[in-house]
Amino acid sequence: DAKTTQPPSMDCAEGRAANLPCNHSTISGNEYVYWYRQIHSQGPQYIIHGLKNNETNEMASLIITEDRKSSTLILPHATLRDTAVYYCIVRSMDTGRRALTFGSGTRLQVQP
Amino acid sequence: GAVVSQHPSRVICKSGTSVKIECRSLDFQATTMFWYRQFPKKSLMLMATSNEGSKATYEQGVEKDKFLINHASLTLSTLTVTSAHPEDSSFYICSASGGGASYEQYFGPGTRLTVT
Repeated sequence: DAKTTQPPSMDCAEGRAANLPCNHSTISGNEYVYWYRQIHSQGPQYIIHGLKNNETNEMASLIITEDRKSSTLILPHATLRDTAVYYCIVRSMDTGRRALTFGSGTRLQVQP
Repeated sequence: GAVVSQHPSRVICKSGTSVKIECRSLDFQATTMFWYRQFPKKSLMLMATSNEGSKATYEQGVEKDKFLINHASLTLSTLTVTSAHPEDSSFYICSASGGGASYEQYFGPGTRLTVT
């Protein structure tokens, strides 16, 4: 699976949009971009995933650049409960049920 | 979504004893389960992959005789930390993947192990 690069930390004001970038310049055509987050002392929580089109669900939006070399996770109205470590993971469905590989992630701190 | 539970949520044991952690898929059958370990302020590190009815596959550097994994049914996998030492103190997280065309992984809430 392709490697991802994320900033180690970010701050965001409560109520504002949080935009978390991820670089995956070596991504290949059959690899999806997944986002998970981990709130302190809990297991990772799935947020969203996409292949090439932008995706939106009740939690967030995922914007993938046209060349697919980077993506941005958008939390439209961040709350204090969104404070967590956010992981961007690239994964091929061809690998079947192989485990997800977690990088260092971005520690998002939502400020009141 | 699919739910994965872990028990216990936290455990304290004495050095030299063994402790068992259970991972259950509550509303789906998990053909594959994964065990991760996470040290403070670090990312999740995969320890092993287990498929129902077969032996687990361990990652390099993980001692299979120390971390015993059993996946005897489609809804339950157990991790036993044998002869625990203080350096085994960590946050242990399991995830489960269902059968069929679904490759999604669902994570448990984690188990905090403290060895004194």
